[in-house]
Amino acid sequence: NAGVTQTPKFQVLKTGQSMTLQCAQDMNHEYMSWYRQDPGMGLRLIHYSVGAGITDQGEVPNGYNVSRSTTEDFPLRLLSAAPSQTSVYFCASRTPKETQYFGPGTRLLVL
Amino acid sequence: AQKVTQAQTEISVVEKEDVTLDCVYETRDTTYYLFWYKQPPSGELVFLIRRNSFDEQNEISGRYSWNFQKSTSSFNFTITASQVVDSAVYFCALSESIYNQGGKLIFGQGTELSVKP
Repeated sequence: NAGVTQTPKFQVLKTGQSMTLQCAQDMNHEYMSWYRQDPGMGLRLIHYSVGAGITDQGEVPNGYNVSRSTTEDFPLRLLSAAPSQTSVYFCASRTPKETQYFGPGTRLLVL
Repeated sequence: AQKVTQAQTEISVVEKEDVTLDCVYETRDTTYYLFWYKQPPSGELVFLIRRNSFDEQNEISGRYSWNFQKSTSSFNFTITASQVVDSAVYFCALSESIYNQGGKLIFGQGTELSVKP
């Protein structure tokens, strides 16, 4: 049982490049979320999904897209990376009555 | 509005000392959940405890204990006889209804605990 997995672990991008951060869970959880962690600000919600085909915006959605075609996968897309998107990104999953469990994180540096 | 405040940015103790990490929260909901997560230097987020708003019983798990007081909107975390392995950033978090942005977690800014040998 792998839990929540994220790839890549670390990525360097140039301003304007695009990329997809991958997230997968093998616990059949309905709810999945993406958070970003910035120094001194804790974690903030970017996007979330309550099931396959259903996504919605969190607190800081600008510059990010998501889709949820399967229960297992919830990729996060950066369409045109900006230095302000330098951060650590965490994916999380849960069922309605359970605690959110987080993946190991992806460290992104945008130059 | 929802808010979690961890007033202590950094705490430094010597091994075997007891240490308490403070957490104060704000919410207008009567049903909510409170959490503590640990983030060691390796970077992952480790779940420690979840408390719902109807259960004010204190909890003890080994060297860890939690004191939940609704009257003061606080959910403090105490480590007894601290160890070097306890060195990490600790986050307190709040979530309300699952229908509020999927039960999103509102995090405090974190408290960095350093335990010196």
